[in-house]
Amino acid sequence: GAVVSQHPSRVICKSGTSVKIECRSLDFQATTMFWYRQFPKQSLMLMATSNEGSKATYEQGVEKDKFLINHASLTLSTLTVTSAHPEDSSFYICSAGRRAVGNQPQHFGDGTRLSIL
Amino acid sequence: ELKVEQNPLFLSMQEGKNYTIYCNYSTTSDRLYWYRQDPGKSLESLFVLLSNGAVKQEGRLMASLDTKARLSTLHITAAVHDLSATYFCAVINTGTASKLTFGTGTRLQVTL
Repeated sequence: GAVVSQHPSRVICKSGTSVKIECRSLDFQATTMFWYRQFPKQSLMLMATSNEGSKATYEQGVEKDKFLINHASLTLSTLTVTSAHPEDSSFYICSAGRRAVGNQPQHFGDGTRLSIL
Repeated sequence: ELKVEQNPLFLSMQEGKNYTIYCNYSTTSDRLYWYRQDPGKSLESLFVLLSNGAVKQEGRLMASLDTKARLSTLHITAAVHDLSATYFCAVINTGTASKLTFGTGTRLQVTL
């Protein structure tokens, strides 16, 4: 079964709205989670690394004030897209790896399809 | 900066045929992953390759890793329609706490 849960799976909202996406590790602790964005027919691009108890690390070109990340516990990270605009429409995917087993693959959430009208 | 390239980007093949997808990466890495993505879905883990010469097989898919050549291959044997999907390789940036860099992806279409 799923080990990383992502919610919601789909969001459609008006321009200017802020949208929060949750990513939970279900049966393990994740000190680090990752947030990716995927545009149609393209690869996954890492947006930021979410670190439990500290600030997220953003990739070059990703606006940290626009994509707010909070990792308040070992099982939950949230991504908030603030004042979303149509160009923010994309497929957002989170992932987490089991802390105790460093060589295992990251487990990915089911993704959130964000559509801004 | 780590770059990961796959080829081909698109592959149309008939059922029953064999083919190989290639994944090249630009800097040293000690872990390589293969994932499958169906349309509108997230990623499904296929293989983890940890060392030079590693070979793993699952059903009609076989993955291998040559760390000296910085090359991984995903070989498809006797393709079936159910294998139609997009396949990504991804490489860990050494020393970056499990940060993955994804390849460009290969969209595989298996026709009847």
